[in-house]
Amino acid sequence: DAGVIQSPRHEVTEMGQEVTLRCKPISGHNSLFWYRQTMMRGLELLIYFNNNVPIDDSGMPEDRFSAKMPNASFSTLKIQPSEPRDSAVYFCASSAASGSYETQYFGPGTRLLVL
Amino acid sequence: GQQLNQSPQSMFIQEGEDVSMNCTSSSIFNTWLWYKQDPGEGPVLLIALYKAGELTSNGRLTAQFGITRKDSFLNISASIPSDVGIYFCAGQPYNNAGNMLTFGGGTRLMVKP
Repeated sequence: DAGVIQSPRHEVTEMGQEVTLRCKPISGHNSLFWYRQTMMRGLELLIYFNNNVPIDDSGMPEDRFSAKMPNASFSTLKIQPSEPRDSAVYFCASSAASGSYETQYFGPGTRLLVL
Repeated sequence: GQQLNQSPQSMFIQEGEDVSMNCTSSSIFNTWLWYKQDPGEGPVLLIALYKAGELTSNGRLTAQFGITRKDSFLNISASIPSDVGIYFCAGQPYNNAGNMLTFGGGTRLMVKP
């Protein structure tokens, strides 16, 4: 069974450019989460969706970040314009949202380097 | 927000030794999860715990959901070199209206052959 799929696995871009990260959750899962991981701050939740609807985006750093989930099998995280401090590993995770028994499964991550 | 205190931050052990790490919180949790992250990869779920006092094993790994619901531990018996990685605890807070997880800071495990 396929796990969470993320693309690209690696992205190198220049400051000011737009970056789009993609995620396909596990089939049947109705919750999707975007995380950012850095050495300094560890794993940070950026935003999450239930049934394609954004529920909590309080972790989104600023207006340069946006996320969409147009359907149950696809989500994007966009950074425009990108800055060097956005360099991090971005993970997508999904879960079946079973109320009090939350179990999230992570994708392999996108390693972003902004020069 | 709520924080999970994970300890130790790092461990350097000899192959064959047992390993123990734990997470604590001042708040009550409904769910405790333990993940392992290999270099260049995403966290992989090792063990999920859903009930206070629950003790669950996965091969050489054993984890327990503390009876106070404020802590959990993970033990690895007879460590081998492929156990190297970062181990994260995560929990779903009792008063969490949604399904967000709180993560510990990770325990970096290094195993000397």
